[in-house]
Amino acid sequence: EVQLVESGGGLVKPGGSLRLSCAASGFTFSSYSMNWVRQAPGKGLEWVSSISSSSSYIYYADSVKGRFTISRDNAKNSLYLQMNSLRAEDTAVYYCARAARYCSSTSCYPEDYFDYWGQGTLVTVSS
Amino acid sequence: QSVLTQPPSVSGAPGQRVTISCTGSSSNIGAGYDVHWYQQLPGTAPKLLIYGNSNRPSGVPDRFSGSKSGTSASLAITGLQAEDEADYYCQSYDSSLSGSRVVFGGGTKLTVL
Repeated sequence: EVQLVESGGGLVKPGGSLRLSCAASGFTFSSYSMNWVRQAPGKGLEWVSSISSSSSYIYYADSVKGRFTISRDNAKNSLYLQMNSLRAEDTAVYYCARAARYCSSTSCYPEDYFDYWGQGTLVTVSS
Repeated sequence: QSVLTQPPSVSGAPGQRVTISCTGSSSNIGAGYDVHWYQQLPGTAPKLLIYGNSNRPSGVPDRFSGSKSGTSASLAITGLQAEDEADYYCQSYDSSLSGSRVVFGGGTKLTVL
């Protein structure tokens, strides 16, 4: 059974830092691209960042570029999000999400949708 | 302001059929990118409902169906049930001069009357 479990959320002051973690199990973590998606209280979903299976390709939303850093440790089946210079507008539940994968007879490629999500971790930025 | 536009709310009685629209533009849905749908039950994480415009993951009832045409897509739910009350989000990919990214609709709250 695929499981994604986020941790590391909490209350932080504006300008502060926080590191989120996502522990993956039930699948070959090193074969999948992973993502962070957030949801502000009472609002919709916002894609934050993605990282390819081997960390070769990394992308960020404009809203977090230069402040957030995504990374992964395939040996530990873990995904991370280092969040610096936090702002009030970063307050949200942060979800770890696995990108679906398409496999042909010879290779596999990441899809642009998310087939499994974690339960989320709440980050609150407030003084 | 979301890149993909959904109605804020829809409602229907048990057993009825409802549809939720998702309107994009020439840089996302109209550019040929697939549309995917997620269901978010109250207090829970989103769950993949439809992928690749009209495909259902294993375990999703065939009461849920998706379609895409031009710059828009739709999610249809037939035989509405109380447990379908949730928020629904469409998602696609957007590619323009300013870059490429995953984009979501603002979400639609479905109320079962």
